[in-house]
Amino acid sequence: AQSVTQLDSHVSVSEGTPVLLRCNYSSSYSPSLFWYVQHPNKGLQLLLKYTSAATLVKGINGFEAEFKKSETSFHLTKPSAHMSDAAEYFCVVTSPGDKLTFGTGTQLKVEL
Amino acid sequence: EAGVAQSPRYKIIEKRQSVAFWCNPISGHATLYWYQQILGQGPKLLIQFQNNGVVDDSQLPKDRFSAERLKGVDSTLKIQPAKLEDSAVYLCASSLNTGGGGTEAFFGQGTRLTVV
Repeated sequence: AQSVTQLDSHVSVSEGTPVLLRCNYSSSYSPSLFWYVQHPNKGLQLLLKYTSAATLVKGINGFEAEFKKSETSFHLTKPSAHMSDAAEYFCVVTSPGDKLTFGTGTQLKVEL
Repeated sequence: EAGVAQSPRYKIIEKRQSVAFWCNPISGHATLYWYQQILGQGPKLLIQFQNNGVVDDSQLPKDRFSAERLKGVDSTLKIQPAKLEDSAVYLCASSLNTGGGGTEAFFGQGTRLTVV
């Protein structure tokens, strides 16, 4: 069994300040983890993925995430938020067989 | 590379009517998923195909939902009869599925269904 908990349903930051979106996971297997972003009326786009290689993963648009097994966490960060980062972000865990389990999402708001 | 294609983009039907959605995955992708995303929630897996076989349909409401994957390529998802609570975005995704997990999925833009 596997599950994902996104700890914040809404996060609001000012443009130019750091972003932190929190994700904890539970998995019976060695997990693979993803972050996807969904802009309004757009499809889901992969930001980055962890698949048991380096624990610090860099993705597109300046995002990165760190896999911490001891804390069962995979938090998403970005040093400086941009207005275009406003969107919904989903943390996803997979297992062998590639079943994807989504978190409930975090809505990121970026203010001037 | 062409992405995952879905149609229609939008559909409005009355309750108790039937509706069908179509998905064309990325060429060569063995795994195809259908997800239901209700407003304000994360996507929920309805069914997962591996080629033309079903891997997981444990959350598919089989009394009203059905899905098939023709020749291991295109797929259709049908709802008959629709209920108000079926209003959602239906997302199709595909992946190469290398068998060991960790294969990213590529998503279509979804079909937004409104049941009135």
